[in-house]
Amino acid sequence: NAGVTQTPKFQVLKTGQSMTLQCAQDMNHNSMYWYRQDPGMGLRLIYYSASEGTTDKGEVPNGYNVSRLNKREFSLRLESAAPSQTSVYFCASRRGTSGSGTYEQYFGPGTRLTVT
Amino acid sequence: AQSVSQHNHHVILSEAASLELGCNYSYGGTVNLFWYVQYPGQHLQLLLKYFSGDPLVKGIKGFEAEFIKSKFSFNLRKPSVQWSDTAEYFCAPKIYNFNKFYFGSGTKLNVKP
Repeated sequence: NAGVTQTPKFQVLKTGQSMTLQCAQDMNHNSMYWYRQDPGMGLRLIYYSASEGTTDKGEVPNGYNVSRLNKREFSLRLESAAPSQTSVYFCASRRGTSGSGTYEQYFGPGTRLTVT
Repeated sequence: AQSVSQHNHHVILSEAASLELGCNYSYGGTVNLFWYVQYPGQHLQLLLKYFSGDPLVKGIKGFEAEFIKSKFSFNLRKPSVQWSDTAEYFCAPKIYNFNKFYFGSGTKLNVKP
């Protein structure tokens, strides 16, 4: 099992450019998440999806869109990148669909994005 | 919304020293509690978790954490750290029945050999 995979690993964008970060998991998990990690701020939730076809906003959704393409894949799109979106982006997945259950999150290796 | 406080942002210890990292959360109802670790250049991985029962939980690599409900705390401990414990540690409470995790700002631990 590869677990949670993310592409690309690194990306440099110019202000105003768009791009999509890809995430896939092979653990048959129901829930998937996108976080950004900034120094001194921990991980902040951008969007999450409890199941295929559903998505919900997290703490910092502005400037991002997501697509839960199928059970395996959850992509994050930046329509018009801004320097404030320079960050490390992590995708995670979790077995449960609801908040109950003893299931933890499994994380991908991250995408380091720089917007100039 | 839930807030999470990790009071120690950067901790430096010598090998064999004892470790305690603080974590406090604000939600007054039922919570599930997690500690994650991020080793240099790696992704986050679960260290330990608490759902119910014995408030003292043990995780991987000799780590343990104690849930004190009255203090809204879930502090992480290790009796004797090793150089390989150098990493960033994140506390992550989750409100029961909500599918969102709230991460603290993290504590960077640097263990000197």
